[in-house]
Amino acid sequence: DSGVTQTPKHLITATGQRVTLRCSPRSGDLSVYWYQQSLDQGLQFLIHYYNGEERAKGNILERFSAQQFPDLHSELNLSSLELGDSALYFCASSYTGSSGNTIYFGEGSWLTVV
Amino acid sequence: AQSVTQPDIHITVSEGASLELRCNYSYGATPYLFWYVQSPGQGLQLLLKYFSGDTLVQGIKGFEAEFKRSQSSFNLRKPSVHWSDAAEYFCAVVRSFGNEKLTFGTGTRLTIIP
Repeated sequence: DSGVTQTPKHLITATGQRVTLRCSPRSGDLSVYWYQQSLDQGLQFLIHYYNGEERAKGNILERFSAQQFPDLHSELNLSSLELGDSALYFCASSYTGSSGNTIYFGEGSWLTVV
Repeated sequence: AQSVTQPDIHITVSEGASLELRCNYSYGATPYLFWYVQSPGQGLQLLLKYFSGDTLVQGIKGFEAEFKRSQSSFNLRKPSVHWSDAAEYFCAVVRSFGNEKLTFGTGTRLTIIP
């Protein structure tokens, strides 16, 4: 158990819909990362938050957004869903987000868009 | 930009045999290096990491990895595999300064045969 908690574990939704994925980082960790894992793209970095502020953006679509709340949990919002958004979405956390901090991953949220 | 190459997409090993999974990185300086394992339907678990110092690092589950600067490699090894080692293995790097994200290789799927 990494200490990173993600909900829901599985989600099936229709095209055009909007979903929210939730992440609670490890106790004491200030940084939260979101990654997408798909068969064709592999593990792709989406976005990084540190103590409530966006630190870095990766290959995140405009239809996707994220935020980190004062209690440090984070949410990834996916809207106008398409079939190609079906993937495993990982949340990860680290103490500060500086290189040299180990990044721990949750078990992921499986999203299926039908 | 840094990149990670895992040249073997799929490896099959007999139970009890030794294992070596290859990882090469491309980066101007020494990055921080990680190996993660993903069991079927599971999240990413950290096996080991290299930041500096001794180039042979020990991890969990009997795994070790050796950093070779001259070859830009960080290969993962295990002297005797168990059936429970069947999983997907990911090498990842992060730049050794600043606030950086993990860049993952494409993964190597390990199959264990009796």
